[in-house]
Amino acid sequence: KQEVTQIPAALSVPEGENLVLNCSFTDSAIYNLQWFRQDPGKGLTSLLLIQSSQREQTSGRLNASLDKSSGRSTLYIAASQPGDSATYLCALFNQAGTALIFGKGTTLSVSS
Amino acid sequence: DVKVTQSSRYLVKRTGEKVFLECVQDMDHENMFWYRQDPGLGLRLIYFSYDVKMKEKGDIPEGYSVSREKKERFSLILESASTNQTSMYLCAASVKVTEAFFGQGTRLTVV
Repeated sequence: KQEVTQIPAALSVPEGENLVLNCSFTDSAIYNLQWFRQDPGKGLTSLLLIQSSQREQTSGRLNASLDKSSGRSTLYIAASQPGDSATYLCALFNQAGTALIFGKGTTLSVSS
Repeated sequence: DVKVTQSSRYLVKRTGEKVFLECVQDMDHENMFWYRQDPGLGLRLIYFSYDVKMKEKGDIPEGYSVSREKKERFSLILESASTNQTSMYLCAASVKVTEAFFGQGTRLTVV
C-alpha cells in the first residue's frame, strides 16, 4: 500500500531564503505526483503536477523534482516571501487510480 | 483551470440532523472525491465516484453516503450527524489520474 511522508512537519525561515520541502513515497510505480498549497481554513490549491515520465516541473519561483527510483520528490522555493507561508502537501494516485494519497504536509512560516 | 465549488464554507448542525454537502465542478471530469481533514490525521478519503451513479467507499465511509445523479455534482450525506463528524470536508475532481482540483472546503461543526 502506497505511503507518503513529508519531512519536516514544520519549517520557519527568514524572508529571502531558498528552501526545499521533501516528499517520499514507498511504491515507485506512480502515475504522477502533485504538490498543493493550503492556507489556514481554506481548500487546496494545485501548484505543480509532475508526470511519472518527467524529472522536474517549474512555475515561477517554484521547482518540483521527481526521482521515482528513490521514491522522492522535492519542492524548491526560491527567494521565499511572507506570502509563501502556508501548508504544502504532496499527493499521488494509488495503483487503482481511485484515491489520491496525501502526505501530512509541511507547514512553512516565512518571517519578514 | 477547473473550478470546483462547495455549497457552503461554514455549517453548524445539530446532532442527529441529516446533512447535505454539495460539490459542483464546471468541467466534464469523471472522477470526484470527498475527503475529510483533521489535525494530526491529514486528509482521509470518504468516497470516490468515477461516473454518474458509480461510487466506491474510501477509507472512512461509515456514517456517510454519497449521491451522483449528474456528472458535475457530487453530494456527501451525513445520515445522522454526530459530534465526531465535526471536520473540514474537501471535494475534488480529476480526469482519471491526471491533475486533481479541490474546492474551497466546508468547515462543519456538529453541536
